[in-house]
Formats: sequence, structure tokens, C-alpha cells
Amino acid sequence: SQTIHQWPATLVQPVGSPLSLECTVEGTSNPNLYWYRQAAGRGLQLLFYSVGIGQISSEVPQNLSASRPQDRQFILSSKKLLLSDSGFYLCAWSGTSHRSDTQYFGPGTRLTVL
Amino acid sequence: AQSVTQLGSHVSVSEGALVLLRCNYSSSVPPYLFWYVQYPNQGLQLLLKYTSAATLVKGINGFEAEFKKSETSFHLTKPSAHMSDAAEYFCAVTSYNNNDMRFGAGTRLTVKP
Repeated sequence: SQTIHQWPATLVQPVGSPLSLECTVEGTSNPNLYWYRQAAGRGLQLLFYSVGIGQISSEVPQNLSASRPQDRQFILSSKKLLLSDSGFYLCAWSGTSHRSDTQYFGPGTRLTVL
Repeated sequence: AQSVTQLGSHVSVSEGALVLLRCNYSSSVPPYLFWYVQYPNQGLQLLLKYTSAATLVKGINGFEAEFKKSETSFHLTKPSAHMSDAAEYFCAVTSYNNNDMRFGAGTRLTVKP
């Protein structure tokens, strides 16, 4: 069966510090991968998605970036965090056979920027 | 562009009462529609999805939703609420020509004893 992991689970970082969040998927090959941010009391905002290694699409201009160095690894990064980057970050994967494929979510990373 | 609107950011029901969470969609092509549930500090879990087959979709935990094209709606219902249903619920839409999924702002369901 497929599983998706995210780490760390929680993170407290000062403004201006760098960020690296990691997401890995097991039990599937060539998944579509997604990064979402969920701010307090708000819905999910799609940040990036990837349909293959090295292929990243950005939805929202910001100080965040994403990379996919391996088929089942998706990394969210920042060189300098802002207060507004605080939130709950969710990684998700889906199959690529059909657009109706379900997105499966990881447990999330709670980021607090102080 | 596709979008969904969830009417009511907070819904409160008594245990045993009907649960109705509203979702309206906007899409220029036939949509695929999803309902997810999120418990505190966890990821999202799929409840059910509509992919152009039966318009009445049954999901996990006794939830179901009906696709109504004429009303552009996909409301989520459950006949009798349990305390364990207290969570946040998200409606989402995608389609055959989209790589991404659009989520609503969410509805927080509270169940009173």
C-alpha cells in the first residue's frame, strides 16, 4: 500500500531563517506531487505541483520554492522566511492515470515563524 | 477557472441530527468533485468523490453527497451526526484538463451532545 511521509511534524523558525520541508511517498511510482499551505481558519492554497522529476509548476509567486530531486521526494524550501509563511503545510500525491484520481495527503508540518 | 464555494464556515448540529454541508462549484467542463475531512493537526482524508458515474455518491462514515448539475451543487449529508464527526470538511473540484485541485475554504462541523 502507498504511504506518504512528511517531516518535521512541527517547526518553529525565526524570521529570515531558511526552510526545508520534506515529503516522501512509498508504494507508487511516478506520482503527481503537491504542496499546499493552510493558514489558520482558511482553506488550502496550492503552492506547487509536480508531474515528474525536475518538473515544478508554481501557483503563487512567493519566497518559497520546490524541488523534486527523486521520483518520490518533494521538497519545499525558502531562503528567508517571512511571518506570513506560518501555517500548516500539506504534501499530497495522486496517480497520473486520470484527472479524477484522488489526492492523498500526508500528516502535515506545522510551521510557526516568529 | 474552476472553483468551489462552501456556504457556512461553521455548522453546529446536535448528536443524532441531520448533517448538511453545502458546496457549490463553478466549472466550464464536467467536474470531478470531492469531499475531504480533516481532524485537528492531521492531513485530509477522502470521504467520497464524484467522477461522472452515479450522481448519488456514498462515502465512508455514513456520509453521502448528490451531484446536481442544474444547481451546480454537491452537498454533503449524513442522516445522524456522531460526536466523532466533529472536524473540518473541504469540498474540492478538478476536471480532465486540470493538473490541480481547487479547494473550498472549509466548513467546521461541531456536534453538540
